Amino acid sequence: QQPVQSPQAVILREGEDAVINCSSSKALYSVHWYRQKHGEAPVFLMILLKGGEQKGHDKISASFNEKKQQSSLYLTASQLSYSGTYFCGTERGGSQGNLIFGKGTKLSVKP
Amino acid sequence: IAGITQAPTSQILAAGRRMTLRCTQDMRHNAMYWYRQDLGLGLRLIHYSNTAGTTGKGEVPDGYSVSRANTDDFPLTLASAVPSQTSVYFCASSGDMGHEQFFGPGTRLTVL
Repeated sequence: QQPVQSPQAVILREGEDAVINCSSSKALYSVHWYRQKHGEAPVFLMILLKGGEQKGHDKISASFNEKKQQSSLYLTASQLSYSGTYFCGTERGGSQGNLIFGKGTKLSVKP
Repeated sequence: IAGITQAPTSQILAAGRRMTLRCTQDMRHNAMYWYRQDLGLGLRLIHYSNTAGTTGKGEVPDGYSVSRANTDDFPLTLASAVPSQTSVYFCASSGDMGHEQFFGPGTRLTVL
């Protein structure tokens, strides 16, 4: 039931764009995105609650396709500070708000 | 205290010993969680609490117990530690279940 994230890792140059995908085999109520820098705690980015919803956070945005049980995180014009591991957490209906996290996508942004 | 704190920062423990990891938040959040993070496996939920006085099991609860006597504290106990419990443990809290989670700095536990 763990969501599948792709790619597992990606290396970018500053200013390049990236997309991180999160797919589930189960129907989803919401998708949460977190970023974790090396040696630190995960930090919340955004929650997507409705099918087809899109949200933005600076130059980081995300979409949630409820029917396809997929969410994508879009990083535009990447900055060095975007480096880290990105996790999606999926919430199913009836799970009382508990999240199942994917294994993460490691993003490295080089100068 | 500002936010959510965990103690100890790290610990080396002999197998079979009992250990309690502490977690305290000062944000008056209703929900609290314990996760373990292992390389390549992401974050896995151990136990959670919707509100003070209630707890529930997550994905990997075996070998762990929790209590929630008040809003602020959510200790995690390993009754008899085993090497497979070597991990980084994160405590988190949120206003309510399903809301944005705030994570503590983590406890690195090594069981030998």
